[in-house]
Amino acid sequence: KAGVTQTPRYLIKTRGQQVTLSCSPISGHRSVSWYQQTPGQGLQFLFEYFSETQRNKGNFPGRFSGRQFSNSRSEMNVSTLELGDSALYLCASSPNEGSGGLAKNIQYFGAGTRLSVL
Amino acid sequence: SQQGEEDPQALSIQEGENATMNCSYKTSINNLQWYRQNSGRGLVHLILIRSNEREKHSGRLRVTLDTSKKSSSLLITASRAADTASYFCATAPSQGGSEKLVFGKGTKLTVNP
Repeated sequence: KAGVTQTPRYLIKTRGQQVTLSCSPISGHRSVSWYQQTPGQGLQFLFEYFSETQRNKGNFPGRFSGRQFSNSRSEMNVSTLELGDSALYLCASSPNEGSGGLAKNIQYFGAGTRLSVL
Repeated sequence: SQQGEEDPQALSIQEGENATMNCSYKTSINNLQWYRQNSGRGLVHLILIRSNEREKHSGRLRVTLDTSKKSSSLLITASRAADTASYFCATAPSQGGSEKLVFGKGTKLTVNP
């Protein structure tokens, strides 16, 4: 099975612009989560989607949004970029609910999209 | 906010030595997991321990969990240069049906050849 694919791998944007990041989960995985990783704050949870519905959301401003499509692929969007949005954005997918109670908690990560805001 | 706190923040050892990393957390958990991250890449799941388990082994990895102290440790035995990476603990809250994991800030392990 192919792993989690994130595109693009690198992005350079300027303040005020917006950006869309894409994530293709492992085939059959219906849950997709997004995380932001910075040296100062570490790994912070952004949101999680399951069957096209946002199931959980972290403590980020409304400039950060996401969606999930019927094929489980997910996108996240950041509008009005700020310098502090520079980070590695990681997407992770999890197995179906029916795979077993604990297996669904294990997350499979993509390589990430490194966003630099200038 | 971060739930887990890893200790130490950085660890440097020689090949063949054992590496021990600790993690503390704050709230009730369903399970605790350890992940590895090679520089600037995605995270790789290593091992999961349930809240009702005290110890678990996987190859050269040994994880312990003490829910009364809200702490866990990861032991890597006979370390290799390829083990050089950052290691994170992640907790799954005991409530809710989502996949949300709360990560600590990680321990950066360097294994010198």
